[in-house]
Amino acid sequence: LAKTTQPISMDSYEGQEVNITCSHNNIATNDYITWYQQFPSQGPRFIIQGYKTKVTNEVASLFIPADRKSSTLSLPRVSLSDTAVYYCLVGYSTLTFGKGTMLLVSP
Amino acid sequence: DTGVSQNPRHKITKRGQNVTFRCDPISEHNRLYWYRQTLGQGPEFLTYFQNEAQLEKSRLLSDRFSAERPKGSFSTLEIQRTEQGDSAMYLCASSLILTGGSYEQYFGPGTRLTVT
Repeated sequence: LAKTTQPISMDSYEGQEVNITCSHNNIATNDYITWYQQFPSQGPRFIIQGYKTKVTNEVASLFIPADRKSSTLSLPRVSLSDTAVYYCLVGYSTLTFGKGTMLLVSP
Repeated sequence: DTGVSQNPRHKITKRGQNVTFRCDPISEHNRLYWYRQTLGQGPEFLTYFQNEAQLEKSRLLSDRFSAERPKGSFSTLEIQRTEQGDSAMYLCASSLILTGGSYEQYFGPGTRLTVT
């Protein structure tokens, strides 16, 4: 199973863009890269998924370089409600969660 | 609300008792997953089903843990002879696997188990 490495925590202020980078050096050919968000006492919530290049949806963008050994989740103009743990995962059928990145957004 | 429901939301039990949790996935989803999450850690994968077939169960924590999905719809996770170390949040997720396509898992709110 591919493992991921991401920062333990990040701090930001409201209105700023936040980029969280994840490394996954041994990603397999058929693995997708997926990011989840989790608030305390809730199940994780899907944010975005990609295979290569760039993916954008209404809440985030995901940048994946050609070698796919890393990925960057970009959250535009964060708000206080974006304070949560963000998980980067690689895989196809089963998911292995790491400890995630605790993002704290301050006023 | 993702459409995945779990019951009960909270369960307090005494050590040595058996407990069973239920998960109702999104109706058209063919895959169902169980995870355990302890404080400060990410969810830990336990097992998953495709329809009624349990395709992976080697990650169940011990032989006290078992899961079923008898008709390919809802699923149950049973823990026999509970121990204090079983105290955790138990999460269920479901997904629709499409051939050659990507996937995403929708998680339920979890069942918090406390073993006293």
